[in-house]
Amino acid sequence: GAVVSQHPSRVICKSGTSVKIECRSLDFQATTMFWYRQFPKQSLMLMATSNEGSKATYEQGVEKDKFLINHASLTLSTLTVTSAHPEDSSFYICSARDPRVYEKLFFGSGTQLSVL
Amino acid sequence: GEDVEQSLFLSVREGDSSVINCTYTDSSSTYLYWYKQEPGAGLQLLTYIFSNMDMKQDQRLTVLLNKKDKHLSLRIADTQTGDSAIYFCAEPPPQTGANNLFFGTGTRLTVIP
Repeated sequence: GAVVSQHPSRVICKSGTSVKIECRSLDFQATTMFWYRQFPKQSLMLMATSNEGSKATYEQGVEKDKFLINHASLTLSTLTVTSAHPEDSSFYICSARDPRVYEKLFFGSGTQLSVL
Repeated sequence: GEDVEQSLFLSVREGDSSVINCTYTDSSSTYLYWYKQEPGAGLQLLTYIFSNMDMKQDQRLTVLLNKKDKHLSLRIADTQTGDSAIYFCAEPPPQTGANNLFFGTGTRLTVIP
């Protein structure tokens, strides 16, 4: 089946640094990818929709200058958490839809970000 | 996501059946989904059902859909310890052209050996 790969799986960084998370579709092209955030013991909340070749669409309340999204190719989207602070610590998950089986939305394995 | 509701916890004994329930909001949803999340991992698509179906069975999994009541359930037969995880139901948002998903609160299933 379709595979979405996400790296790194875990990152610990100091406050004020920037962290980049990669999301790749391995065997299909994804014009759209989605970035979700999950707090401990909570559900997933959509942060933004990443659009290949154009600007990302951010959900209400999500700072676009804080969470930079780049979707430069049909198989790669990146999320950069800029000037990270402890409150940015969370589990970030990307997802993409395989156009061959459009009803399915596949997820990466997630990235646990801890900001000290 | 807050309008897709699930009970938070469920405990069952190994070998019994588990039934996880979900109420959703959008009667026009074309597909409804069940995902499984193990600790520290991403989401695994378990199964999904098209809105014109009442039931879908896939090995140990049975999905029941009651469109009138906007109720979706996932039954796991012969539950195993490896089934312990959080289960999320999900529906597409009520927006034309949107293809992300809204997730329920998640049900933490604990299987007792």
